[in-house]
Amino acid sequence: DTAVSQTPKYLVTQMGNDKSIKCEQNLGHDTMYWYKQDSKKFLKIMFSYNNKELIINETVPNRFSPKSPDKAHLNLHINSLELGDSAVYFCASSQAGPMEKLFFGSGTQLSVL
Amino acid sequence: GNSVTQMEGPVTLSEEAFLTINCTYTATGYPSLFWYVQYPGEGLQLLLKATKADDKGSNKGFEATYRKETTSFHLEKGSVQVSDSAVYFCALSERGNQFYFGTGTSLTVIP
Repeated sequence: DTAVSQTPKYLVTQMGNDKSIKCEQNLGHDTMYWYKQDSKKFLKIMFSYNNKELIINETVPNRFSPKSPDKAHLNLHINSLELGDSAVYFCASSQAGPMEKLFFGSGTQLSVL
Repeated sequence: GNSVTQMEGPVTLSEEAFLTINCTYTATGYPSLFWYVQYPGEGLQLLLKATKADDKGSNKGFEATYRKETTSFHLEKGSVQVSDSAVYFCALSERGNQFYFGTGTSLTVIP
């Protein structure tokens, strides 16, 4: 069973479209995250939710909106997609506590044409 | 604030060579330190971690020691294999709900 699963794995779309990426974790973790990885492999935190409550909201365009229907799910909706949004998006989860590690999904490769 | 700085890549080594990837950190408190590895086409996975000063994390022949005096957590392996080719990320976490990553170091091991 996959611990953190995200879909789709690949997403190719036109500029201006709206798209969603879904993430689910079956680890019972309290905290979930979205990270963006650019073409140089730089990893940037976008959002973090703890028990469905937003706790980290880094400086990202408000075209990006996370939604957490329950603590096992954190979806990412992106409006009016732009070329610069092309990247790999990773969902992750962790349990609370300073010694806990992150578990990552396998990533969603988003290509905006 | 918190931040992680790691050596830039890419790094190319021959099989059985010694590997060091440098990582230094800045933190306001007492962070836990991590090395994550990303194999091609996959998400990041934990390689090793250390939670307090002088702790040594180790896994799959990789080691890193938490050095508070030099604020460092350098990754080492005595003899790399082709299968170690990946991108390596140093990271820190203070409270477990926010992780700070370095920029990643790409390693290629050639036979």
